[in-house]
Amino acid sequence: SQTIHQWPATLVQPVGSPLSLECTVEGTSNPNLYWYRQAAGRGLQLLFYSVGIGQISSEVPQNLSASRPQDRQFILSSKKLLLSDSGFYLCAWSGRGRPNEQFFGPGTRLTVL
Amino acid sequence: RKEVEQDPGPFNVPEGATVAFNCTYSNSASQSFFWYRQDCRKEPKLLMSVYSSGNEDGRFTAQLNRASQYISLLIRDSKLSDSATYLCVVNQYSSASKIIFGSGTRLSIRP
Repeated sequence: SQTIHQWPATLVQPVGSPLSLECTVEGTSNPNLYWYRQAAGRGLQLLFYSVGIGQISSEVPQNLSASRPQDRQFILSSKKLLLSDSGFYLCAWSGRGRPNEQFFGPGTRLTVL
Repeated sequence: RKEVEQDPGPFNVPEGATVAFNCTYSNSASQSFFWYRQDCRKEPKLLMSVYSSGNEDGRFTAQLNRASQYISLLIRDSKLSDSATYLCVVNQYSSASKIIFGSGTRLSIRP
């Protein structure tokens, strides 16, 4: 069966510090991978998605970036965090050609102080 | 107007009651519709797809009304474990980049 891992589970970082969140998927090949952010009381906002190694599509301009160095690894990064980057970051995967059925990781709760 | 709108709730209903909530979408070209469930401080999980003809999964019934551009979720004989936030999801073009999540409707079932 497929599993998706994210770490860390929680993170408290000062403004201006760098960020690296990691997501890995097991039990499937060539997945579509996604990064979402959920701010308190708001819907999920798609940040990035990837349909293959090294291929990243960005949905919103911001100080975040994503990379996919391996088929089942997706990384979210920032060089300098802003207060507004606080939120619940969720990684998700879907089967190739099946973007609607997404399976989410446990998420990382980020607080920027 | 938001692309996908939901009443945030909370809906507070007694155990055993029937509860229904709607979700409206703005793009008439939307093709795919889903309900996800999100427990407090957890990740969303796919609950069910919404088909044009309507579909049922146990106590849950989902319906689509294309003319009025809304989808609905009906929960019968509600259980305490149904307490969660229900997210409406619309995919406008069956594309990875066009999936829109609603902000969710919070449901609380009381004993």
